[in-house]
Amino acid sequence: NAGVTQTPKFQVLKTGQSMTLQCAQDMNHNSMYWYRQDPGMGLRLIYYSASEGTTDKGEVPNGYNVSRLNKREFSLRLESAAPSQTSVYFCASSERPESTEAFFGQGTRLTVV
Amino acid sequence: DQQVKQNSPSLSVQEGRISILNCDYTNSMFDYFLWYKKYPAEGPTFLISISSIKDKNEDGRFTVFLNKSAKHLSLHIVPSQPGDSAVYFCAADGGTSYGKLTFGQGTILTVHP
Repeated sequence: NAGVTQTPKFQVLKTGQSMTLQCAQDMNHNSMYWYRQDPGMGLRLIYYSASEGTTDKGEVPNGYNVSRLNKREFSLRLESAAPSQTSVYFCASSERPESTEAFFGQGTRLTVV
Repeated sequence: DQQVKQNSPSLSVQEGRISILNCDYTNSMFDYFLWYKKYPAEGPTFLISISSIKDKNEDGRFTVFLNKSAKHLSLHIVPSQPGDSAVYFCAADGGTSYGKLTFGQGTILTVHP
C-alpha cells in the first residue's frame, strides 16, 4: 500500500532550468495538492486539484504550473527555476468532502543554484 | 498574513511528562483543525483532528482542545515518549470542498529519556 508517491526525492537545478515533479496516489482520492515547506513558514499551498480535470491556485502559485493527468497523478512543473524555489515540496491527497485528513508523500528536496 | 500561528518554535520535555503544543488562528471561517507530526526526511502524517462544534477530542495519549472564543487550540501528549520527538504542525480547514489546509510554522518537540 504505497499511498502517495513522489519522484524524484532529491534534485539540484541550475537557475533557468525546467523540471517536473511527479506525484501519484493509489487511494482513489478525488483531491490532490502541492505544498512547499520552507524554514519558519510551515507548509504553503501552491496548487490544488479538487477532481480530475480541474486545477486551481493556492497561496503561492507564481512560477509553477500543474497538470492533473488523471485521477491518480498530479504533476508540478517549474518552467524556469529560480533560487527562491529552493524548498521541500510535498504532494498530498484527500477524499474530500468525506474526509478532511490529507495524506502526504515523502517530499522532494529541490535546490536551485 | 499568518492565519495560523505556532508561537513556540521548540519545546523540550522529560519522558513521562505532559507535552503541550499551542496554536492560534485568526480566521473565524476555519471550521476544522488538524495536527500533523513530521519526522525528518518524511512527509507529515495525520495525528488528530477536531471539528469547530467540539471543544475536545481524545485519541489515546493525544488530546486536542479547542477554545473558539480565544481562537486557540492545543495538543496535549500524556505521557510523552522519546518517539514523540518530531515537528508538530497545526493546520486549519476553511470549510471549502477541497481541503485547502492552512498550516502553522511548526513546533519542534524533543522528549528526553
